[in-house]
Amino acid sequence: EAQVTQNPRYLITVTGKKLTVTCSQNMNHEYMSWYRQDPGLGLRQIYYSMNVEVTDKGDVPEGYKVSRKEKRNFPLILESPSPNQTSLYFCASSPKGSEQFFGPGTRLTVL
Amino acid sequence: QKEVEQDPGPLSVPEGAIVSLNCTYSNSAFQYFMWYRQYSRKGPELLMYTYSSGNKEDGRFTAQVDKSSKYISLFIRDSQPSDSATYLCAMLGDDYKLSFGAGTTVTVRA
Repeated sequence: EAQVTQNPRYLITVTGKKLTVTCSQNMNHEYMSWYRQDPGLGLRQIYYSMNVEVTDKGDVPEGYKVSRKEKRNFPLILESPSPNQTSLYFCASSPKGSEQFFGPGTRLTVL
Repeated sequence: QKEVEQDPGPLSVPEGAIVSLNCTYSNSAFQYFMWYRQYSRKGPELLMYTYSSGNKEDGRFTAQVDKSSKYISLFIRDSQPSDSATYLCAMLGDDYKLSFGAGTTVTVRA
């Protein structure tokens, strides 16, 4: 089944404790992206990647890191999480960037 | 001013009615226009995808893009309770950064 998977689905952590949210797709898509969704603010793009070893900032990259060492994986790293990063995070993949397919989401709470 | 403006609603209609959703945008570089549907606690699901101006129909769904007015629409005919969801417009330009509207919450009453 073609899909985008994210892990973990739910995470509660404390301020400053480094964490990684994994994202994997099995559709051989070139493009992958991370978004956060907050009430009243909608979906905002954090980082995106057009291909392996190529990453670019989205609208809200501060406090986040990404890497794209393999085509199928695009992990999101929070080196020192803060409470304002409490949000619902979505990973997405696409053949070229237009038709994006989203994962199920990761709900992160930073205390 | 946001690049993409979308009325958050909520919008409540009786079953069988036509649902009309729209977004306006300010970035002339947008070329790809999409509508996503998001059920509660789920990821967005691509509904319709249009390149440049024009109309596109898929079953009960019709998407319209008017680049001259910077205005896009989604129409849902013969709406069903299962259409109750949040609908998000999204747009992509040359930089491959996707910009979303805030989403419109739709409830179809049985």
